[in-house]
Amino acid sequence: GAGVSQSPSNKVTEKGKDVELRCDPISGHTALYWYRQSLGQGLEFLIYFQGNSAPDKSGLPSDRFSAERTGGSVSTLTIQRTQQEDSAVYLCASSFTGGNNQPQHFGDGTRLSIL
Amino acid sequence: GQQVMQIPQYQHVQEGEDFTTYCNSSTTLSNIQWYKQRPGGHPVFLIQLVKSGEVKKQKRLTFQFGEAKKNSSLHITATQTTDVGTYFCAVIASNTGKLIFGQGTTLQVKP
Repeated sequence: GAGVSQSPSNKVTEKGKDVELRCDPISGHTALYWYRQSLGQGLEFLIYFQGNSAPDKSGLPSDRFSAERTGGSVSTLTIQRTQQEDSAVYLCASSFTGGNNQPQHFGDGTRLSIL
Repeated sequence: GQQVMQIPQYQHVQEGEDFTTYCNSSTTLSNIQWYKQRPGGHPVFLIQLVKSGEVKKQKRLTFQFGEAKKNSSLHITATQTTDVGTYFCAVIASNTGKLIFGQGTTLQVKP
């Protein structure tokens, strides 16, 4: 499809396990964002990739969270030693950057539940 | 860092009533974007405003950018149940180019 694709759509895991979430941005989009959204809450910025620049990791809540973007396309968000407070919807968005005024296109998110 | 305040946080209206959400920044903005997130869905881009004092309309939705480019509003005329959702404004951080979202206004419409 032409949109942002995220997988898995749902993930249930036990506390203490590691999880890996995947985001396939729209082809040609150089900017990629990860957000976390708890139930009924706003968008919590996690990390921002822009082309080949060093990512802006200022939103990562702890060192258990990490993300990478290989080849300037697919991105994975990894959460190590998951905690119950990590339960949320993790949204990925991409934008085409020919300037800084491009709209973001969101995926459907991964709903993460930590038991 | 740059922040944007969005008010109100929640709004309940009777179907047919009008609705307005406001987005305010302490610094001058280059542009502002608005998104809508339906319950259970993901945010969807609605519009971008760039010019001082700009007004844009999409059917019953009217978007305004303040003269000083520090605030913006989204007004919905005669709300319908299909307008239910959370409306976010988003601005570009001048130092990083990162898009920063407001906390959103959640609209409930009673039929």
